[in-house]
Amino acid sequence: DQQVKQNSPSLSVQEGRISILNCDYTNSMFDYFLWYKKYPAEGPTFLISISSIKDKNEDGRFTVFLNKSAKHLSLHIVPSQPGDSAVYFCAAAREGSSNTGKLIFGQGTTLQVKP
Amino acid sequence: DGGITQSPKYLFRKEGQNVTLSCEQNLNHDAMYWYRQDPGQGLRLIYYSQIVNDFQKGDIAEGYSVSREKKESFPLTVTSAQKNPTAFYLCASSIAYLQTGDSNQPQHFGDGTRLSIL
Repeated sequence: DQQVKQNSPSLSVQEGRISILNCDYTNSMFDYFLWYKKYPAEGPTFLISISSIKDKNEDGRFTVFLNKSAKHLSLHIVPSQPGDSAVYFCAAAREGSSNTGKLIFGQGTTLQVKP
Repeated sequence: DGGITQSPKYLFRKEGQNVTLSCEQNLNHDAMYWYRQDPGQGLRLIYYSQIVNDFQKGDIAEGYSVSREKKESFPLTVTSAQKNPTAFYLCASSIAYLQTGDSNQPQHFGDGTRLSIL
């Protein structure tokens, strides 16, 4: 049972345009969401997170939007740069001592930013 | 420089052998985690530890074992019971809920070990 889904395996955008990566989840108990970026043969790098008490969090070129009623989150990258080309994973977690720190990851979306 | 070190980067195992993957962190994090990544899939949790001398099974613990004798170290052993061990293994650490009372802490990852069966 895939609790976190990234339905688009790949996305290609032109440099300078907006990249929008999407993620859906099924477990309404999730209350903390993260985006990671991963280059080949490297570990994921934390990008940005959002708590369920918010619907938007911004950090430079990266903005994450959370729609709790739709159980959907998205990552916007504006403007996109060729160095942003990587695999992006969304992840979710729920608060509670028995589950603390356990992240559930989506399958990843490969972003290609063309010069 | 603070970070997470996984070694070796590439590892080969003969069938029937156990092999241990190393993970060391100097971030003073209490919590550590092991994930497995297969092609086209997300990361799946193998084991995690919130504090020294304590660890919990994740979603795919069968065929794996861990120990947490030191705060800085969380080695993972892939045993011969693991039927499909070829994968990319990632170790992570984070500030634990027990440290801050806040479970909303990002995990930070090492660069992984790629394990292949000969």
